[in-house]
This record gives sequence, C-alpha cells and structure tokens, in this order.
Amino acid sequence: DAGVTQSPTHLIKTRGQQVTLRCSPKSGHDTVSWYQQALGQGPQFIFQYYEEEERQRGNFPDRFSGHQFPNYSSELNVNALLLGDSALYLCASSNTKIPLRQGGNEKLFFGSGTQLSVL
Amino acid sequence: GNSVTQMEGPVTLSEEAFLTINCTYTATGYPSLFWYVQYPGEGLQLLLKATKADDKGSNKGFEATYRKETTSFHLEKGSVQVSDSAVYFCAFKAAGNKLTFGGGTRVLVKP
Repeated sequence: DAGVTQSPTHLIKTRGQQVTLRCSPKSGHDTVSWYQQALGQGPQFIFQYYEEEERQRGNFPDRFSGHQFPNYSSELNVNALLLGDSALYLCASSNTKIPLRQGGNEKLFFGSGTQLSVL
Repeated sequence: GNSVTQMEGPVTLSEEAFLTINCTYTATGYPSLFWYVQYPGEGLQLLLKATKADDKGSNKGFEATYRKETTSFHLEKGSVQVSDSAVYFCAFKAAGNKLTFGGGTRVLVKP
C-alpha cells in the first residue's frame, strides 16, 4: 500500500518564477492538506482540499494556490517566487469518511516532501 | 492567537537516559494534541495523540498526558535508544482540520 507520494523531491527555481508541486494521497484517502516547513521550524498549514474544493486556508498570500483532481491527487502552485519561499513542502492526506473518534480526519499521513530552493 | 511552544534543542542524551520534551499550547476550546516525529530523510509520522483532558497517549515507549489545567502535553520516554534520534514536533488541532505545530526539538542519542 503506497503511502503519500510527492513529486519532485527537489526543485531549484529563481525569483519570480512559478512552481507546481504534486501529491498523491494514501490509497483510500480523500482529503489533502499542504504544509510549508522552513528550515529549523515546524510545518505551517497552507490549505486543505476536499471534494476538489479548498476548505480551509492558513495565513498564506494568494500567490499560493492549489487544486484537487477527481482521483484526490493535488497540486500546489506558487507564483512569483520569493527567496523566502524556500522550504520543504509537505503534503498530508486523511480520510474524512472515518468517524472522528475512530481517528478519522485526525490521523494525517505525511509525504516525504518537496524541497524547494529559490535562488 | 493559537500557538505551540516546545523546548528548543538540540537535546543530546546517552543511550538508556530519560527523555522529556516540554510542550505547552495556546488554543481556544478543547483541541486534540499530538506528537509527531521526523526521522532523517523521512516525512512526519504520528507518534501519539490524546483527544481529551487527562488522556495519556503512548507508543514505542513514549508517553504524553493531556493536562488541560496547565495546557501542556510533555513527551517522555524512560530509556532512549540511538534509533530515537529525530526531530519531535508537538501539535494540536482545534476547530477545523489544520494542525498547528511547535518549532520542533532535535534529539540526538549517543551510544
């Protein structure tokens, strides 16, 4: 059973460019969340997708956008890259169909991340 | 605002030593509390969780108790191994589905 897979694993961009990161959730999961983890810091919530719609968003500018496809996979797009966007981008998936008290929607499975470097 | 504060690392220990990582949170309502672990080169993994006051989460010899009165969720392990070397993150989930993480504590266990 494949876990959460992210691609690419590493990426180098220059300021002002645009980037697309991809995530395939764990089999059976329907919800995808994205987090940004700067070096030496904890992950920060960017947004979450369920049923192909953005359901919740963290404190990130509109340069960060996303998409979820009918097969539940997801993309994170960042426009007009800044040096400060350099970070590890983590995707996490969960299953909303499992009741909350049985661990539903609380047990997130994380991918290994995409390391983005902006030069 | 909502936040998690955990002790800064790195924490360096000898094998079989006792480990404590302090974590306190600021959140509205009654959040669920979590400890995640990040081994070198790997993604975050859920280590343990507690969903209500006085619950004790445990896994792989690690324990943490949900203390509502002190808004704390300290992580403990009685005898660490070299394989426990990792970065540990305290987190909570309040309203909605997002996790709020602390800054992480790097633990290095030496043989």
